[in-house]
Amino acid sequence: DQQVKQNSPSLSVQEGRISILNCDYTNSMFDYFLWYKKYPAEGPTFLISISSIKDKNEDGRFTVFLNKSAKHLSLHIVPSQPGDSAVYFCAASLGGGADGLTFGKGTHLIIQP
Amino acid sequence: GAGVSQSPRYKVAKRGQDVALRCDPISGHVSLFWYQQALGQGPEFLTYFQNEAQLDKSGLPSDRFFAERPEGSVSTLKIQRTQQEDSAVYLCASSLQLGTATYYGYTFGSGTRLTVV
Repeated sequence: DQQVKQNSPSLSVQEGRISILNCDYTNSMFDYFLWYKKYPAEGPTFLISISSIKDKNEDGRFTVFLNKSAKHLSLHIVPSQPGDSAVYFCAASLGGGADGLTFGKGTHLIIQP
Repeated sequence: GAGVSQSPRYKVAKRGQDVALRCDPISGHVSLFWYQQALGQGPEFLTYFQNEAQLDKSGLPSDRFFAERPEGSVSTLKIQRTQQEDSAVYLCASSLQLGTATYYGYTFGSGTRLTVV
């Protein structure tokens, strides 16, 4: 029973356009959501997070939106750059991260020149 | 060190062999996590330490898996009598303290890829 779902295994976007990565969750007790970026043969790298009491958090080209009623969050990357090509994982936490993170399966973002 | 260091990077084990995977967290980081990432999946939580105390081991798949952090810094994940389903990347992550984990995320190591043949 997957509590965090990323339903798109891959996404292809043209350089300079907006990339939108989606994530759905089932556990309404999650209090923090995080996005990680992963290159091949490297560990995941933290990108951005959002508290469950917020609906938006922005950091440079990256914005995360949270819709609690729909149990849905999305990561927007504007403008998309070639270096953004990677696997993106959505993750959620309970109790401030004390119980570890629950990850989705990831979405492979490919930025086309 | 500057980042989380894991060794070895790759390990091939024969079925039934015992293996030990090492994690050197960032100096001063209190919290340490182990995750298992199977091919095509996201990382799955295995266990968590705060200093030397193992506070949660609910994610360990069986009693063949054992983790320790005796002095509150380096951690070792041991898998006894390895089986083919243990083949995965094992990731270690650390954070300065519990409350910062969700603000800033953990810092992950590059992982150890274990292949059981």
